[in-house]
Amino acid sequence: GNSVTQMEGPVTLSEEAFLTINCTYTATGYPSLFWYVQYPGEGLQLLLKATKADDKGSNKGFEATYRKETTSFHLEKGSVQVSDSAVYFCALGSGGQNFVFGPGTRLSVLP
Amino acid sequence: SQTIHQWPATLVQPVGSPLSLECTVEGTSNPNLYWYRQAAGRGLQLLFYSVGIGQISSEVPQNLSASRPQDRQFILSSKKLLLSDSGFYLCAWSKSRVTDHFTDTQYFGPGTRLTVL
Repeated sequence: GNSVTQMEGPVTLSEEAFLTINCTYTATGYPSLFWYVQYPGEGLQLLLKATKADDKGSNKGFEATYRKETTSFHLEKGSVQVSDSAVYFCALGSGGQNFVFGPGTRLSVLP
Repeated sequence: SQTIHQWPATLVQPVGSPLSLECTVEGTSNPNLYWYRQAAGRGLQLLFYSVGIGQISSEVPQNLSASRPQDRQFILSSKKLLLSDSGFYLCAWSKSRVTDHFTDTQYFGPGTRLTVL
């Protein structure tokens, strides 16, 4: 079945550092890929998504490119802020099968 | 615009007591609806999903059940709670599509934190 693997962290960075959170997937067919963010005590918010190979999703300075050849959807941000501290989930949606989430990566950004 | 509500926001219940969590969606019709559980420090586990009134699919066998009495209402229930039922329960919705409903973006509610003592 479909699966998502992501680095679990925690990841601790200083403000303005470069962020990469790796995400790889296994899926049949042509899945859509998502990054969600969860701030403390809240539900998940969609951060960005990509629906086909080579698509780049972007939002709030975050980017991720759908790489079919490496089955990856790594999340990047050039300069993180304290307010980016949260848990980030990579997810996959593929027709006829469950929406699958990775285990989440906790990011802490220090001032 | 669409909004999704969950209540209560927090709940503390004794073992063996019943449970009813409610989720409602506004601003859309015939949504697909989902219940997830997030145990402490862990990822999300899909519990139930529904593509229409009275249509419930269960992903994980357990002492929980779900119902969809109205188009935009989704209820999670239990007759007798277990300690292991503690967690953060999230409701989500996505746009209806005859096929491929798990590909559409899912939008999440604020969650209910359940503690079973």
